Amino acid sequence: GQQLNQSPQSMFIQEGEDVSMNCTSSSIFNTWLWYKQDPGEGPVLLIALYKAGELTSNGRLTAQFGITRKDSFLNISASIPSDVGIYFCAGPHGSSNTGKLIFGQGTTLQVKP
Amino acid sequence: EAGVTQFPSHSVIEKGQTVTLRCDPISGHDNLYWYRRVMGKEIKFLLHFVKESKQDESGMPNNRFLAERTGGTYSTLKVQPAELEDSGVYFCASSQDWDRTRQYFGPGTRLTVT
Repeated sequence: GQQLNQSPQSMFIQEGEDVSMNCTSSSIFNTWLWYKQDPGEGPVLLIALYKAGELTSNGRLTAQFGITRKDSFLNISASIPSDVGIYFCAGPHGSSNTGKLIFGQGTTLQVKP
Repeated sequence: EAGVTQFPSHSVIEKGQTVTLRCDPISGHDNLYWYRRVMGKEIKFLLHFVKESKQDESGMPNNRFLAERTGGTYSTLKVQPAELEDSGVYFCASSQDWDRTRQYFGPGTRLTVT
C-alpha cells in the first residue's frame, strides 16, 4: 500500500538555525500536505501543495512538491522555540478527493534557545 | 468559529472494559474522520463519514470498534471490549466537501488500556 517515509526522525537544533526535512514515497501523490502537532494538541495544517514542482511559503516555512510527485520537502528558516513539535507529511490515498489521508511517521523538532 | 472538539481528553480503562469517545466537528462540515496514532508511529486512518453515512471504514482494526454519527452531527467511537493494543491517541477531523484533503483536527483523546 501507499506509505510515506519521513526523515530525519528527530532533530535537535539551536535557535536561529534553518531546518530541512523531507518525505518520500514509492508511489505518486497528487497532493502533499504538511502538518504540525504541538504537544497536547491535534495536527494543524501548515501548507498544502497541489502541483508538481510547486513551491509554497507560509511565513518562515517553505514547502516544495517534488517534480517526480514522489517526494516533498519542508524548510523552516531562522527557527524559534515555538517551532518545537512534530511535523507530519501527508497525502490523500488514491484519488485526489478521497477523505483518507496517509501520514508519515513524523519528524520531532526540538529547538534550544 | 469553534474548532473540532473531542471528549474526553484522556481515558484510562482496564482491558475488557468499554470506552466511548466523542467528536464534534466544525459546524457545517459534512465530512468527519477518525484517525489513531499509536506511540511513535504514524497517524493512521480509521474511517470517514459523509453526513451520517460511512464513506470508508477500511481502517477500522476489527469489530470491537464501532463508529456512529447520529443525524450527521457529532460522532462517537466505541471500543468494546478494549484490548491493550488499543492504547493510543484518537484524533477526529472534519472537512468541507469541496476539499476533503484540507482537514481540521481536534486535540485528540489519549486512551490508555491497562
